[in-house]
Amino acid sequence: DAGVIQSPRHEVTEMGQEVTLRCKPISGHDYLFWYRQTMMRGLELLIYFNNNVPIDDSGMPEDRFSAKMPNASFSTLKIQPSEPRDSAVYFCASRIDRDPEAFFGQGTRLTVV
Amino acid sequence: RKEVEQDPGPFNVPEGATVAFNCTYSNSASQSFFWYRQDCRKEPKLLMSVYSSGNEDGRFTAQLNRASQYISLLIRDSKLSDSATYLCVVKLNAGGTSYGKLTFGQGTILTVHP
Repeated sequence: DAGVIQSPRHEVTEMGQEVTLRCKPISGHDYLFWYRQTMMRGLELLIYFNNNVPIDDSGMPEDRFSAKMPNASFSTLKIQPSEPRDSAVYFCASRIDRDPEAFFGQGTRLTVV
Repeated sequence: RKEVEQDPGPFNVPEGATVAFNCTYSNSASQSFFWYRQDCRKEPKLLMSVYSSGNEDGRFTAQLNRASQYISLLIRDSKLSDSATYLCVVKLNAGGTSYGKLTFGQGTILTVHP
């Protein structure tokens, strides 16, 4: 398996634009997590899914953020409109229920100018 | 109060030194504990799980104190390649909306120098 795949690896966008981050979890994994990492706040859980169903979205900062998981092999995190304070590295991770280890993608480095 | 708290460091130690990191968690329902390692500009990766009786993996020893809600990681005979950020992670195994949730500490930065 290729591991968790995220795209794009880097994104630079202007304030106000819509940004869509994509994630393909490891096949067979039933949990998917979206995290955001900054120097100031560390690694924050935004939302996670179990069997494609959102379980806890309490970490989503505000209504500008939304996440979907239309099927077991794909998830998106959308920011609309984007703001400079959204600049961070966004990680997607997946795991299988019987194994607590989470496998991370390489992350998307987002810069909003 | 943060769910998982770590001393961010940085810790700067010479090769061969022993260094210990600490972590506290606030939710007593937390049942599983881990240490992850994150290299600069890379994704976090599992270093080791933490068991109630304490466990060792080579130069690394992890310990858990449930009564104090405290986890530690000890690295002996530090190597240059140990330089990284070490993240404390807790997982809730109880039911409810937080089942399966992995919560990360902010991480402790370690630099091992020659």
